[in-house]
Amino acid sequence: AQTVTQSQPEMSVQEAETVTLSCTYDTSESDYYLFWYKQPPSRQMILVIRQEAYKQQNATENRFSVNFQKAAKSFSLKISDSQLGDAAMYFCAYNNAGNMLTFGGGTRLMVKP
Amino acid sequence: DTEVTQTPKHLVMGMTNKKSLKCEQHMGHRAMYWYKQKAKKPPELMFVYSYEKLSINESVPSRFSPECPNSSLLNLHLHALQPEDSALYLCASSAGTGGWMSGYTFGSGTRLTVV
Repeated sequence: AQTVTQSQPEMSVQEAETVTLSCTYDTSESDYYLFWYKQPPSRQMILVIRQEAYKQQNATENRFSVNFQKAAKSFSLKISDSQLGDAAMYFCAYNNAGNMLTFGGGTRLMVKP
Repeated sequence: DTEVTQTPKHLVMGMTNKKSLKCEQHMGHRAMYWYKQKAKKPPELMFVYSYEKLSINESVPSRFSPECPNSSLLNLHLHALQPEDSALYLCASSAGTGGWMSGYTFGSGTRLTVV
């Protein structure tokens, strides 16, 4: 079975600074996708970024980028130029064919003005 | 339309009540999901519908009864709930084939309180 671990229950960052959220996973599959979801107080889970395991190039979406280390089974999220609106719960997730989305325990990100 | 719409946003119900949660999407997605989420925890999968057929039931108590009337609608019927069932109930959808690659689209949830 696949597992996803987020070792940081809470993180804080100063506005305009950079923060990195950690995620590790365990799987015996070779083809899979990894995701970062953001859940603000409005409650909706919003897909921030996704990474295909076969792609060596790290995914980037504006201020959000990932550091994908397949051999180490690590998938961290970097948020640059942090904004107050980035404050939320962040969930790392894994999926592969024939299975359902598996979530990590979440990291609460606080942004200080 | 790239949204999953859930109604109601908030629901308070007594333990003897019967109520329903509704979820709707018009993205042509053929897989739909119900999740239960407690505060500061990740969502827990309850049910999966694939092409309008129930494909996964994660050992959910029978007081929760899902229904998929058509490819755009997903309901969750609630009856004789317990206070520990109070939680955020999230609906999600994904493409039927290859949905595992694109991620799921989530609604904003229904905040349920059982009194």
